[in-house]
Amino acid sequence: DIVMTQTPLSSPVTLGQPASISCRSSQSLVHSDGNTYLSWLQQRPGQPPRLLIYKISNRFSGVPDRFSGSGAGTDFTLKISRVEAEDVGVYYCMQATQMYTFGQGTKLQIK
Amino acid sequence: QVQLVESGGGVVQPGRSLRLSCAASGFTFSNYPMHWVRQAPGKGLEWVAVISSHGIDQHYAASVKGRFTISRDNFRNTLDLQMSSLRAEDTALYFCARDVGGGDMYFDCWGQGTLVTVSS
Repeated sequence: DIVMTQTPLSSPVTLGQPASISCRSSQSLVHSDGNTYLSWLQQRPGQPPRLLIYKISNRFSGVPDRFSGSGAGTDFTLKISRVEAEDVGVYYCMQATQMYTFGQGTKLQIK
Repeated sequence: QVQLVESGGGVVQPGRSLRLSCAASGFTFSNYPMHWVRQAPGKGLEWVAVISSHGIDQHYAASVKGRFTISRDNFRNTLDLQMSSLRAEDTALYFCARDVGGGDMYFDCWGQGTLVTVSS
């Protein structure tokens, strides 16, 4: 099974400042079809998860452009250019290259 | 609009069974693979099971294989999860999620979840 490891597990950030979350997979997420099925989800308190980014760097419909994804192979990053109060929550990376696995989650909180 | 509404959760004793349902609306249900994902209290997300758009293929997490069965009814636009031999560690909020499918693989729509508590 592919293991997804996120760092940090907790990230206190000042409003208006950038934030970055890393996600590392135990093996390459490049699928045999050439795609890399790595997505990022946000879960606000008391809410279901919400898709932010798919296939490493594609922003989902309605997601603000302050969210961006990057990476390749086994190392991936979610960046928020300027954190807003509504960004508080837990962020998960998820791989769908070989079945499905989530990272442990990174809690984003305001300092 | 696209909507997924889970139901069927509750308190159940260890070893017993429970059936969850997810009612889909606002899209052509039969075009999409569907998943169940769970979240234990205060914990992260755990993928549980997936079923193909036509219901022919199913896959399960190792933690539930042999105990849980995912199924769907494309006429009634419902997704089910039959859970048997329930354990305390199955206690979680269970979400149904739509897989965008079509050669892509990501979950673009989630329900609000239904809570299952396994306790004597």
